[in-house]
Amino acid sequence: EVQLVQSGAEVKKPGESLKISCKGSGYRFNNYWIGWVRQMPGKGLEWMGIIYPGDSDTRYSPSFQGHVTISADKSITTAYLQWRTLKASDTAMYYCARGIAPNSGNSPFEYWGQGTLVTVSS
Amino acid sequence: DIQMTQSPSSLSASVGDRVTITCQASEDISNYLNWYQQKPGKAPKLLIYDASNLGTGVPSRFSGTGSGTDFSLSISSLQPEDIATYYCEQYDNFLGTFGGGTKVEIK
Repeated sequence: EVQLVQSGAEVKKPGESLKISCKGSGYRFNNYWIGWVRQMPGKGLEWMGIIYPGDSDTRYSPSFQGHVTISADKSITTAYLQWRTLKASDTAMYYCARGIAPNSGNSPFEYWGQGTLVTVSS
Repeated sequence: DIQMTQSPSSLSASVGDRVTITCQASEDISNYLNWYQQKPGKAPKLLIYDASNLGTGVPSRFSGTGSGTDFSLSISSLQPEDIATYYCEQYDNFLGTFGGGTKVEIK
């Protein structure tokens, strides 16, 4: 069974750093692109970026380039989303999701994690 | 960047009604268009991919059509469990964009 299990909710202060995780299981982790999607409170879905764990090829939406870092550790089948300096506007639910087809970056998200709620408040 | 315009932003319909949601891309995206359903407090679920292919386990009352810039998602007979927000998504050249969403309610 394919599963993506995300790390737990976080409460941080502005200016702090954060790294959240998404552990994949039940499939060949190296061979499927994993993406990250933001959902701010009461708002719609925003496509952030994707990573291919096999070679760490990473692509970002222009809206998020430079603000977050996406990475993966294939040895522990885990993808990450990282901030160096959090802002209050980063408060949101963050989902990881896996592409439907192996080796294809242009692929709809078939499997989703349960989401990680990040709250940034002073 | 490719922009996706979804309409309506919300709708209210009766059980058994046919419901149609549209999504327009700012440029030709061929058939690289997906539809997701999101229920409150839950992660999105893939309904339709590549414009017209039904996702795994998705009821046949859901269907998708379109190509190029104009796409639609239809529910042939609205059921109470279809109450959710629906999003279109385009993906091309390793970059995706979601539409603004359509909230579907029961009248």
